[in-house]
Amino acid sequence: QKEVEQNSGPLSVPEGAIASLNCTYSDRGSQSFFWYRQYSGKSPELIMSIYSNGDKEDGRFTAQLNKASQYVSLLIRDSQPSDSATYLCAVIGSNTGKLIFGQGTTLQVKP
Amino acid sequence: DAGVTQSPTHLIKTRGQQVTLRCSPKSGHDTVSWYQQALGQGPQFIFQYYEEEERQRGNFPDRFSGHQFPNYSSELNVNALLLGDSALYLCASSYGGHGREQYFGPGTRLTVT
Repeated sequence: QKEVEQNSGPLSVPEGAIASLNCTYSDRGSQSFFWYRQYSGKSPELIMSIYSNGDKEDGRFTAQLNKASQYVSLLIRDSQPSDSATYLCAVIGSNTGKLIFGQGTTLQVKP
Repeated sequence: DAGVTQSPTHLIKTRGQQVTLRCSPKSGHDTVSWYQQALGQGPQFIFQYYEEEERQRGNFPDRFSGHQFPNYSSELNVNALLLGDSALYLCASSYGGHGREQYFGPGTRLTVT
């Protein structure tokens, strides 16, 4: 079992729709969770961090964390073509402190 | 406010050679982590430096080594390069050790021929 799992996609949504990206993790003791956006040929950009169960909203982005079910999700409202990128879920392990990434989900927003 | 910087941007080396990559953290940050990202994959953790010491290490051979300087900048050294070392090498900085938000530099694209 991978430590952090994401569906590689591509996830295709029409412009203006809600994009839903999901991630599961195996280390039940993990406390820190992050979403990064990576455009092709560029480095990852931190867009959301979440540490407590529930929802955290920042503009068009909402991160959701459910520690009991060991999943993290990212919702992007009013999706724009400029949101087309790979979204990386990352988790800091409880015992190691290492930031572990999933393989990323490619999002395509079609005009 | 300067972000994370890395040098060089691109590098081409021959199998068996050695390479040094450099990273300067974001202003106010004291922790530097290094990652290797192969095409189509998420970044893989190499190691993390805090207070000039290697604090955490991923599953990478001893050919990968590093250093952190008193000004918090860092170097990644790779010896005896293999074709499989071709990747994007990313540096990320944060404050106060692990558990914190990490911000990435632009990366160094290493090609081993």
